[in-house]
Amino acid sequence: EAQVTQNPRYLITVTGKKLTVTCSQNMNHEYMSWYRQDPGLGLRQIYYSMNVEVTDKGDVPEGYKVSRKEKRNFPLILESPSPNQTSLYFCASSLQGSSYNEQFFGPGTRLTVL
Amino acid sequence: AQKVTQAQTEISVVEKEDVTLDCVYETRDTTYYLFWYKQPPSGELVFLIRRNSFDEQNEISGRYSWNFQKSTSSFNFTITASQVVDSAVYFCALSEASPAGTDKLIFGTGTRLQVFP
Repeated sequence: EAQVTQNPRYLITVTGKKLTVTCSQNMNHEYMSWYRQDPGLGLRQIYYSMNVEVTDKGDVPEGYKVSRKEKRNFPLILESPSPNQTSLYFCASSLQGSSYNEQFFGPGTRLTVL
Repeated sequence: AQKVTQAQTEISVVEKEDVTLDCVYETRDTTYYLFWYKQPPSGELVFLIRRNSFDEQNEISGRYSWNFQKSTSSFNFTITASQVVDSAVYFCALSEASPAGTDKLIFGTGTRLQVFP
């Protein structure tokens, strides 16, 4: 089944404790992206990747890191999480980095930083 | 700058009523794409439709229909004879065909639709 998976689905952590949210897709998509969803703000892009070893900042990249060493994986790293990073995070992928392509979203990761 | 406005924060209807969700967008590009996504209570994002800026034909899919009007920069979504299962947050999104092809979706803030039995 074609899908985007994220782990963990739920995470409660404390300020400053490094964490990684994994994202994997099995559709051989070139483009992958991370969004965060906050009440009243919709979804905002954090980082995106056009292909392996090619990443760039989205609209709200502060406090986050990403890497794209393999085509299928695009982990989101929070080196020192803070309470303002409490949010619902979505990973997405699409065939290519073109505006036409539908983006497929993962199930979401709900992160709480205390 | 790109912007998507969904002015209706929350709408409540009774089953079988028709309901329209508004979406107004701003872009300087002549080539762009508009999307609607549904987010049911379970939280995942479900793709509903994509429309390119050169295709102003309205689209109907079962009880769903979309009205795209470039003259008013709107891409409204109508659910006919709503059902409880339609209860969800609906997002409108815009993507511009930039040379860099960044494929960034600009989302509206969403409209929460509650359909009561």
